[in-house]
Amino acid sequence: EADIYQTPRYLVIGTGKKITLECSQTMGHDKMYWYQQDPGMELHLIHYSYGVNSTEKGDLSSESTVSRIRTEHFPLTLESARPSHTSQYLCASSVLGTSTNTEAFFGQGTRLTVV
Amino acid sequence: AQKVTQAQTEISVVEKEDVTLDCVYETRDTTYYLFWYKQPPSGELVFLIRRNSFDEQNEISGRYSWNFQKSTSSFNFTITASQVVDSAVYFCALRPSGAGSYQLTFGKGTKLSVIP
Repeated sequence: EADIYQTPRYLVIGTGKKITLECSQTMGHDKMYWYQQDPGMELHLIHYSYGVNSTEKGDLSSESTVSRIRTEHFPLTLESARPSHTSQYLCASSVLGTSTNTEAFFGQGTRLTVV
Repeated sequence: AQKVTQAQTEISVVEKEDVTLDCVYETRDTTYYLFWYKQPPSGELVFLIRRNSFDEQNEISGRYSWNFQKSTSSFNFTITASQVVDSAVYFCALRPSGAGSYQLTFGKGTKLSVIP
C-alpha cells in the first residue's frame, strides 16, 4: 500500500484566491511528481522533482509553482486561481535511479473547482 | 518521443465475462518499462503491474493477466471473470529505463464498466 497523501481531497474556491495543494509521502522517495488530469481522463505531467531543492516543469505548461524543501513534501501553489485551473491534481513519488522498483505511487488526488 | 495509445475509450461487459484492454506504445528507447494503473471512482491511481522491456514473459495474477509482445509494441491487459469491483478507468503507461528518466507517458485510459 502506498504511503502518499494529498490534502485537501476536494476544494471549491473563488477566482483570484491563492491556494496550496499539499502532498506528502513517507516512503523516502527522491522523485516526486504532479500530474493534472483533465475531465476526459488524460494525465499530464506539470511538475517534477529529483530531490530537495530540485524542481522542474513538466510537459504541460502550468501557472502553478512547486517547492521541495523537504524530501517528504512537494506542495503545489496557485497564486491566483482561475476557472481554467479546475481539474484534478494527482501527486506521485518513486525511487530515484535504475532500481527495478520504478513504479510511481499516487496519492488520492485533489479535485479543484474554481468558481 | 513516446506515445501510448489505448484505442478503447469505454468498454461495458456483463459480470463474469472476460475483457481485454488494449495498449499500444511507441518509443525510440531500447529499454523501457511498461505499467498498468487502475483508477477507481475514488480517484487515486493504483499500481497494478510493471514490465521491463527485456522480459516478454506473460504474467498472471489471479484474474488479471498481461500479454506483452515487443514485436507489435503491445501490452494488453485481460481480466477474467470480471466483477463489478473491476469497474474503473485503466491506464497504460511507458517510461524509459535510464537513470535520468522521469517521464511517465500515459495513455488516455479505458473506462471499464462491469454490469451486474
